[in-house]
Amino acid sequence: NAGVMQNPRHLVRRRGQEARLRCSPMKGHSHVYWYRQLPEEGLKFMVYLQKENIIDESGMPKERFSAEFPKEGPSILRIQQVVRGDSAAYFCASSPRAMSYEQYFGPGTRLTVT
Amino acid sequence: GENVEQHPSTLSVQEGDSAVIKCTYSDSASNYFPWYKQELGKRPQLIIDIRSNVGEKKDQRIAVTLNKTAKHFSLHITETQPEDSAVYFCAATSGLLAGTASKLTFGTGTRLQVTL
Repeated sequence: NAGVMQNPRHLVRRRGQEARLRCSPMKGHSHVYWYRQLPEEGLKFMVYLQKENIIDESGMPKERFSAEFPKEGPSILRIQQVVRGDSAAYFCASSPRAMSYEQYFGPGTRLTVT
Repeated sequence: GENVEQHPSTLSVQEGDSAVIKCTYSDSASNYFPWYKQELGKRPQLIIDIRSNVGEKKDQRIAVTLNKTAKHFSLHITETQPEDSAVYFCAATSGLLAGTASKLTFGTGTRLQVTL
């Protein structure tokens, strides 16, 4: 019974490059949330997606960041033209349905921008 | 939007003592309050949660209390052990009540250190 999977676990990018972070929800879960955690801080909501739909992107920066959750395959958080301030741990969480409180987190992707 | 404050930021207790972490929230519509434990470099793990129709919930050495009038909730850990050392985050959401996404708003975390 695999939990939420994220890859890569660690990602190093130079300033200006693109970063792609992947999240596979738990089996049977069709709702994905992305959160960002800066060093020594709490988690901040970024975006909530269902299959093929962005439901709430109120936490996403207006530029350079995008997310998708296609019908087949993992959810992807994409950061274009990364800057040093993007260095953080990015966690995704999944839940089984819309009317569900519980969110289960993946192991995170630690992005380092050099 | 929701704002969650958490205190203290660090807490050191001796093994066997109790630890209490407190959170306050701003949105009176919030109705679900989970607590997560995060060990260094690991994922946040849900350890206990409480819904707004309940005042207290207990699971072995862990308990959570909720005061909706005062808009605060607390985590209580009794008989602490070294493996309880971690960062603990409280969170709140009103999404389900409002019919919107149940995104979590997190507190800033409490680093708990249990010493021998």
